[in-house]
Amino acid sequence: QVQLVQSGAEVKKPGASVKVSCTSHGFTFSAFYIHWVRQAPGRGLEWMGMINPSETSYAQEFQGRLTMTRDTSTSTVYMEVDSLRPEDTAVYYCVREVVRLRGGNSFDYWGQGTLVTVSS
Amino acid sequence: DIQMTQSPTSLSAAVGDRVNISCRASQSISRYLNWYQQKPGKAPKLLIYAASSLQSGVPSSFSGSGSGTDFTLTISNLQSEDFATYYCQQSYSTPPTFGQGTRLDVK
Repeated sequence: QVQLVQSGAEVKKPGASVKVSCTSHGFTFSAFYIHWVRQAPGRGLEWMGMINPSETSYAQEFQGRLTMTRDTSTSTVYMEVDSLRPEDTAVYYCVREVVRLRGGNSFDYWGQGTLVTVSS
Repeated sequence: DIQMTQSPTSLSAAVGDRVNISCRASQSISRYLNWYQQKPGKAPKLLIYAASSLQSGVPSSFSGSGSGTDFTLTISNLQSEDFATYYCQQSYSTPPTFGQGTRLDVK
């Protein structure tokens, strides 16, 4: 069945980088866009960016310190955030986007989430 | 960016009740509106897409309506497993944006 499996929790110091992986199972990896959405403790959902076979698109607030890459051979997407700050502490989700001809786009499958804690 | 505003931010209800959650967009988004349910410690789950289409496997007690700027998620005959936080999300333009969430708890 369709699954997105993410790497485990991370603890980082301010100024460090973190790289989170998301491995896809049960669907044609190259046919879908993968997005990243984060959720700070007790807060709402924040879109970070997306990657498809030919391009990436990042939210304005992450420009310059966010990089998304994909490895087709392992059906894995990576999300790396540089220059971490305590306010980057959050659960990070990878999400599959489904496009429907008459129904717009939506996020139909989510990874289990990866907690990234930034603390000195 | 399109701002999404949900109301109320929290809601108390009893099993068997019918509840409505509203979502308003800062500009017209046609019917490009999705609803998600999130339980504590879990990833969000897609309930409704394109304002009123039920995602496969979601109970028919969930329904959505609206177009333009005003949308509603209705849950009829509330069950214990429906107590959660609900988010709307617009897919009309990039960046996709979410409402702040509506927490539904037991009265």
